[in-house]
Amino acid sequence: KQEVTQIPAALSVPEGENLVLNCSFTDSAIYNLQWFRQDPGKGLTSLLLIQSSQREQTSGRLNASLDKSSGRSTLYIAASQPGDSATYLCAAPVNNAGNMLTFGGGTRLMVKP
Amino acid sequence: DTAVSQTPKYLVTQMGNDKSIKCEQNLGHDTMYWYKQDSKKFLKIMFSYNNKELIINETVPNRFSPKSPDKAHLNLHINSLELGDSAVYFCASSQSGSGELFFGEGSRLTVL
Repeated sequence: KQEVTQIPAALSVPEGENLVLNCSFTDSAIYNLQWFRQDPGKGLTSLLLIQSSQREQTSGRLNASLDKSSGRSTLYIAASQPGDSATYLCAAPVNNAGNMLTFGGGTRLMVKP
Repeated sequence: DTAVSQTPKYLVTQMGNDKSIKCEQNLGHDTMYWYKQDSKKFLKIMFSYNNKELIINETVPNRFSPKSPDKAHLNLHINSLELGDSAVYFCASSQSGSGELFFGEGSRLTVL
């Protein structure tokens, strides 16, 4: 059974800092891993989807890496801005039979001006 | 032109009632889902459904049932509501193969 863990649970940084959010998963036989952002009272927005054949994906100031052998993924945010404040969630497939995802508990990020 | 839309956004009801939450996606995806986010903000999969197969998370009570009138809709019916059903329910969709999941804005259910 896939289990996903995210650390830290909360993070507060001053504007401009580069930061790393961590995600670990127990079943390394995943075919992809997805990072999401959730703003308070809102739904989830997909940030990056990494296929199992990829090592990383980039979108603007965001870079996500995937290391299946160690069961880890990281989300790197460069030059953080107050608008990046949100909860970031990573999710991995429950199993290889479908698109059902199991989510980590999220990292609540606060970027202070 | 919201990709995944849910109604209602807020729902307050009494214990024991039956309620439904509707979901529609205009992305042409073949698979839809329902997730539950509890008060601790933890997201759990409830159902996955495409036109061939319904996959149910074993922890979901049978008071919950998804109903799909067509490929673009997956409604969630809840019978005999309990206090512990209070949560935010999210609908999502994806195209099998690509794997990328798109979420609705959520429906906050409060059971009194």
